Amino acid sequence: QVQLQESGPGLVKPSQTLSLTCTVSAGSISSGSYYWSWVRQPAGKGLEWIGRIYTNGITNYNPSLKSRVTISGDTSKNQFSLHLSSVTAADTAVYYCARGGNSIGYYYMDVWGKGTTVTVSS
Amino acid sequence: EVVLTQSPDLQSVTPKEKVTITCRASQSIGSSLHWYQQKPDQSPKLLIKYASLSISGVPSRFSGSGSGTDFTLTINSLEAEDAATYFCHQTSSFPLTFGGGTKVEIK
Repeated sequence: QVQLQESGPGLVKPSQTLSLTCTVSAGSISSGSYYWSWVRQPAGKGLEWIGRIYTNGITNYNPSLKSRVTISGDTSKNQFSLHLSSVTAADTAVYYCARGGNSIGYYYMDVWGKGTTVTVSS
Repeated sequence: EVVLTQSPDLQSVTPKEKVTITCRASQSIGSSLHWYQQKPDQSPKLLIKYASLSISGVPSRFSGSGSGTDFTLTINSLEAEDAATYFCHQTSSFPLTFGGGTKVEIK
């Protein structure tokens, strides 16, 4: 069964770039059947979709974050990454990576990582 | 952007009671609405896909209905393990969005 695991620094200074990696096991990010997403959740608040990458490298970003976000994939390592630049305290959140379907009747996110907490503070 | 508005924000319920959570979309999204359950310190778990389709392994007491702009998640005969926050999520249009969540607590 496919599993996702987030990794990266738990503390990032303001104005710096937040970088996280999601490692996929028991499944391939090269499969055209899926897209790979990042979602975040500030403590005690709701979920915010950040963006996604498809197997062919095409990316979609939430317009609210688009100017600061880059999502990339590394098929050799079966990983995909999130880079969020110019962070502020408002970017403090639990960050999840998730797998979504890429076919009619299967566009929802069905497999999620456990999440990793990122705090933005000096 | 499609805004999803959930109600209520909080529901306090006794075991075996029926729970109804609503999700209203700011524009029609067909049936591209999915429901997730999130327990404290856990990631979201898919409960219902495309408004009313069941997910393998999810108890049958969870059901969904609706289309267009109005959707409902129903938990029949609530169990203590159902204490969680429930989110709706749309995949009809970009960007993907989530409802604000409904917390279900056990009395």
